[in-house]
Amino acid sequence: SYVLTQPPSVSVAPGQTARITCGGNNIGSKSVHWYQQKPGQAPVLVVYDDSDRPSGIPERFSGSNSENTATLTISRVEAGDEADYYCQVWDSSSDLLYVFGTGTKVTVL
Amino acid sequence: EVQLVESGGGLVQPGGSLRLSCAASRFSFSRFWMSWVRQAPGKGLEWVANINQDGSEKNYVDSVKGRFTISRDNAKNSLYLQMNSLRAEDTAVYYCATHLTLRLFDYWGQGTLVTVSS
Repeated sequence: SYVLTQPPSVSVAPGQTARITCGGNNIGSKSVHWYQQKPGQAPVLVVYDDSDRPSGIPERFSGSNSENTATLTISRVEAGDEADYYCQVWDSSSDLLYVFGTGTKVTVL
Repeated sequence: EVQLVESGGGLVQPGGSLRLSCAASRFSFSRFWMSWVRQAPGKGLEWVANINQDGSEKNYVDSVKGRFTISRDNAKNSLYLQMNSLRAEDTAVYYCATHLTLRLFDYWGQGTLVTVSS
């Protein structure tokens, strides 16, 4: 089945930019979605279809996707952005319809 | 805003059964696919099963096929997951989630914890 690989952790100072990668074979041909999960809470969709934001998600969250890597970028990082982040794709041709990345813990220094 | 409330989790012995429920409100439940997603303690997210609008189409991850059954009752705006022959590796928080768009999970409930242990 399709595999999505994320770095286990990313550390960033407040006000700086965090970049979280999601690697997959030819992931650029798929739509990638990103979820934020704070401790003890349910995941929340923050970016969908590579780069679109649901209503209510700050413009500081953006995404891109090309070739073998998708990236979630958090600009002007705030303490409240500290969370786990997961990428996800839909693989309608596979028995495993929904594939999640391994997850990245973002720590705000 | 969409509301999803899971219930039915708890402690169960290996080989036992449990039925999870998800009460949906504030959206047209019967119009959309729904899923169950789980998260083992300290681990990542894993899709478990989904079901189409009228319950005629269901899909499962291989590890639960033949043991878990997803169903829904549109009259009650409710989603269910019947879990049989439970194993220790089924221990997780189980979330129900909406598919307003089939390719992603738009909204999630707060989750219910299932612990399989003797």
